[in-house]
Parts: sequence; structure tokens; C-alpha cells
Amino acid sequence: GAVVSQHPSRVICKSGTSVKIECRSLDFQATTMFWYRQFPKQSLMLMATSNEGSKATYEQGVEKDKFLINHASLTLSTLTVTSAHPEDSSFYICSAKTGGDSYEQYFGPGTRLTVT
Amino acid sequence: AQKITQTQPGMFVQEKEAVTLDCTYDTSDQSYGLFWYKQPSSGEMIFLIYQGSYDEQNATEGRYSLNFQKARKSANLVISASQLGDSAMYFCAMREAYSSASKIIFGSGTRLSIRP
Repeated sequence: GAVVSQHPSRVICKSGTSVKIECRSLDFQATTMFWYRQFPKQSLMLMATSNEGSKATYEQGVEKDKFLINHASLTLSTLTVTSAHPEDSSFYICSAKTGGDSYEQYFGPGTRLTVT
Repeated sequence: AQKITQTQPGMFVQEKEAVTLDCTYDTSDQSYGLFWYKQPSSGEMIFLIYQGSYDEQNATEGRYSLNFQKARKSANLVISASQLGDSAMYFCAMREAYSSASKIIFGSGTRLSIRP
């Protein structure tokens, strides 16, 4: 089956710094990638949708200047949390899908961000 | 707007018993897809089963089956012969089939605990 990786799996950063999370599709080309955020004991909330070579589409209430998304290639999307604050601490999960009308999305293992 | 509702925040089931996890949805679209995902404590999202809105038969995947009642807008997950390894969070999700972004939205989840 298709594999999506995320790096790092865990990261701790100081308040005010920026942190980058990578999402890679290892054995397929992902025309679209999605970034989700999950608070403890809660559901996944979609943050943004990124298509290769174009600007990401952010969900309502998600600050695009705070959460920078780049989808520079068909196998890599990055999420950069800028000027991180403790309230940004969360579990970030990406998913990827191939083109066309395929319903399948493949999820990465997630990245746990802790901002101190 | 789409909405997914899971009314059971937590469930306890005896090992080897069958369990039904409830999911209702709301959409004005005629074409859509319904998913169930399992999330163990490690955080990864594991795809379990998919049902398209035009599929006439209920989807089945091994011990998992989806009880799709379109008129009632429900898509309950049935796990037969539960195992200890089934203990996890379970999320019902929905995708608009013809959305260019193919976004998936998730319900609030049900935490399933299997008793030995």
C-alpha cells in the first residue's frame, strides 16, 4: 500500500521559534496533500489543502501567515509553524492523495509538536 | 454544510463480542463517500472501510462491515468478534465525491475499549 512519512515524529521547540514539518509520499505522486491538527482527545481538524505547484487553501480560522504550507513537488509538502507559542502544541497529521477521483487518502504517522 | 456526528464518546465491550459504533451524517450532496478510521494510541490513522453513496451493498472488510442506511443518513461500523487489539479511537468521516479538494471531515470519535 501507499506510504506517507512525516518528519520529525516529535519536536520540542522554544516559544518564538519556527519549526518545519515534512510530509512525504514515498511510493506515489501526491497531487494533493492535506494538513490536519489534532488536540488531545479530540478529532482531526483540517487546516489546509495543498496542491503541487500552487498556493495552499486554508480552512476558515487558520492563519496562513502562522502556518506556512509549501507543496513544491509531487512527493513533498512542508508545514512551517512560525513564531510558535505554547498554544500551537498539538499533533499534526498530513495525508496525501493521488490525482483523479480516487477516494483514497493516505495518512502520515503524525508529528507531535511541543512548544515550551 | 457537511457534518458528521458520533454520539458515543466511549464504549466498553467484552472480548469476542460484536460491537456497533454509531455515525450519522448530514450533507446536501447526492454523491459522497463515507469512511471509518482507527487511531491507536500511537496516533497513526488506519483506514478501515469505505462506502460510496451509490454503492448498493454494504461495504465489508474482514471483521469490519459498514451498516449503510442512506435514508436515515447513518453509516454505523460493525466489528465482529472483537479483539483486544481493537481498543482504539474510531473516527467516522465523509468526503464529497466531486469536490475538487476532496476534503475529508471527521466526526468527534468513539473510544472503544475491549475487556479481556
